[in-house]
Amino acid sequence: SAVISQKPSRDICQRGTSLTIQCQVDSQVTMMFWYRQQPGQSLTLIATANQGSEATYESGFVIDKFPISRPNLTFSTLTVSNMSPEDSSIYLCSAILAGAAEQYFGPGTRLTVT
Amino acid sequence: GESVGLHLPTLSVQEGDNSIINCAYSNSASDYFIWYKQESGKGPQFIIDIRSNMDKRQGQRVTVLLNKTVKHLSLQIAATQPGDSAVYFCAENINSGNTPLVFGKGTRLSVIA
Repeated sequence: SAVISQKPSRDICQRGTSLTIQCQVDSQVTMMFWYRQQPGQSLTLIATANQGSEATYESGFVIDKFPISRPNLTFSTLTVSNMSPEDSSIYLCSAILAGAAEQYFGPGTRLTVT
Repeated sequence: GESVGLHLPTLSVQEGDNSIINCAYSNSASDYFIWYKQESGKGPQFIIDIRSNMDKRQGQRVTVLLNKTVKHLSLQIAATQPGDSAVYFCAENINSGNTPLVFGKGTRLSVIA
């Protein structure tokens, strides 16, 4: 299995500001994803992070609100832009390892917007 | 830490009993399924997976059953322990892992000591 780390682990932010979340995987990775988990809910896919190109966003999520970078195989960032209280959620990084099918998750970033 | 699963269905079992958690999946084209365990304040943890060419797979104290006819997945936990208390999610994808997972709604398992 892989170790996936995220920074920060939690943050409290003011509305209108932006937060960038970092994700680092300690193994070779084929695919990386970002999910959101709102309180008491299941996980919803935000986007697939593509290395060296624009991320692939799911319906309801747009690049201007959630810009994503993946400059190399094992690192990705998600920015939550112009935050509102509705963005308060857990944001989870996920990866599929090279040569495997299992999808692993980081510990999550708990964001509260006031 | 922040609690997940506040509004999810709950299954309460006595310590030592067997637990069965059910999941109805959505896509008949799905060919790969995973069960995850999520404890409060943590990310989902891989438990066991199964491919669509199987109908049963066993791990340590856990068994996953797949019924493709009715698009149903279940997770059986033998001799449930207090440490099994968590929220459990089933997840599915197509193309055997080369696409992102789609998650089910989740079930909170509460073990009564």
